[in-house]
Amino acid sequence: DAGITQSPRHKVTETGTPVTLRCHQTENHRYMYWYRQDPGHGLRLIHYSYGVKDTDKGEVSDGYSVSRSKTEDFLLTLESATSSQTSVYFCAISYSGRNTEAFFGQGTRLTVV
Amino acid sequence: KNEVEQSPQNLTAQEGEFITINCSYSVGISALHWLQQHPGGGIVSLFMLSSGKKKHGRLIATINIQEKHSSLHITASHPRDSAVYICAVNFGNEKLTFGTGTRLTIIP
Repeated sequence: DAGITQSPRHKVTETGTPVTLRCHQTENHRYMYWYRQDPGHGLRLIHYSYGVKDTDKGEVSDGYSVSRSKTEDFLLTLESATSSQTSVYFCAISYSGRNTEAFFGQGTRLTVV
Repeated sequence: KNEVEQSPQNLTAQEGEFITINCSYSVGISALHWLQQHPGGGIVSLFMLSSGKKKHGRLIATINIQEKHSSLHITASHPRDSAVYICAVNFGNEKLTFGTGTRLTIIP
C-alpha cells in the first residue's frame, strides 16, 4: 500500500471555527490533491499541489486554503467552517499527475454543526 | 464540458454472475482509472489504462478510445466484490474528473 496518511480520521466542529486537515505521504510523489466526496456527486477537486509551495485551485475551492511547505505534507484549512463543508475529505497522491496511478488516503469525515 | 458518466448507478447480482460496469466520457482523454471503494472505506486504484485491455485476477478493464467508452468486468462475482466502483479520467492534464460511481451488491 502507498504510504499516505490522513489526520484526523473523524472530526466534529462548530460553525465558524477553523479546521485543518493533514495529508502525509512517504512516497515522495510530486502531486498531492484534496477532494471532497458528497452523496450524488463524484469526488470533486478542492485544491492540488504540484510541488513545494506550488498549489492551484480546483472546482470547489471557495472557503478552503492549502499549504505545502514540505514534499510530504499537504494541509487543507477551512478558515471558518460552515455546515455546507460537512463531507468526507480524501487526499490523493500521484507521481507525475498525468497518466500515472493515483493513491488515496483513508478519508476524513468532517461534520460541521 | 469534460464529463464522465457511469452506468448503472446501482447493480445487484447473484454470487457467480458476470458483472459489467460502464463508463463514458465526453472528449479525448490521456488515461482512465477504475477505483474501488468499500463501505466506510478508503479508495483503492484497480486499473489505469489508456488503450486496450488489462486484467487482474477476476477483474478485467477495457477501453475503446474511438467510442470514448470503458468497461469494468468482474467474473465469478463474490459478495466481497460488493463496493462502489468509480471511473475517473485525465482529460489531458494532471487532474482527475470522476464519475458518480456504481454501487455493486453481490448476494450470496
